[in-house]
Amino acid sequence: NAGVTQTPKFQVLKTGQSMTLQCAQDMNHEYMSWYRQDPGMGLRLIHYSVGAGITDQGEVPNGYNVSRSTTEDFPLRLLSAAPSQTSVYFCASSYSETRANVLTFGAGSRLTVL
Amino acid sequence: AQKITQTQPGMFVQEKEAVTLDCTYDTSDQSYGLFWYKQPSSGEMIFLIYQGSYDEQNATEGRYSLNFQKARKSANLVISASQLGDSAMYFCAMREGGTGTASKLTFGTGTRLQVTL
Repeated sequence: NAGVTQTPKFQVLKTGQSMTLQCAQDMNHEYMSWYRQDPGMGLRLIHYSVGAGITDQGEVPNGYNVSRSTTEDFPLRLLSAAPSQTSVYFCASSYSETRANVLTFGAGSRLTVL
Repeated sequence: AQKITQTQPGMFVQEKEAVTLDCTYDTSDQSYGLFWYKQPSSGEMIFLIYQGSYDEQNATEGRYSLNFQKARKSANLVISASQLGDSAMYFCAMREGGTGTASKLTFGTGTRLQVTL
């Protein structure tokens, strides 16, 4: 079991470039989500999905797109990167969206936008 | 209002001593879950312990216990017999959400724990 796999681990972009952060899980989890972590601010929810074909916005969705075509994959797209999107991004999944379910996190992707 | 408040940006504890990391939360839901995660310097998020709002007993997992005081809306993490490997950032989080809606995990700003010899 690989758990939650994120790629790439590190990425440097120029302002205005686009990219996709990949997230895949092999635990047959229905719920998947993306967080960003900035110094002094904890983790903030960007987007989440409760199943294939279903996505919704979190606390800080602007500048990001997601899709969920399969149960396993939940990519995060930056359409036009800005320096404010410099952050560490975490993908996380759980068996379902209910309150008692523990989120399993990927190792994180560190993005720098110049 | 902040949903999760961790008032201790940094804490020091001597090896083998116990330490309490504070967490208070704010919710109007009757049903919610409280979590603690550990983030070592390597960056991964490691689940430590969970407490449900209806659980009558405080949760325990090895050296970790959660001091849950529902009326005070606090969910403090107690680490007993601290080890050097406990040095890390610790995050308190809450998962709330009504029936039929996806519950979302909200994090506090974290407490950096340093274990000393």
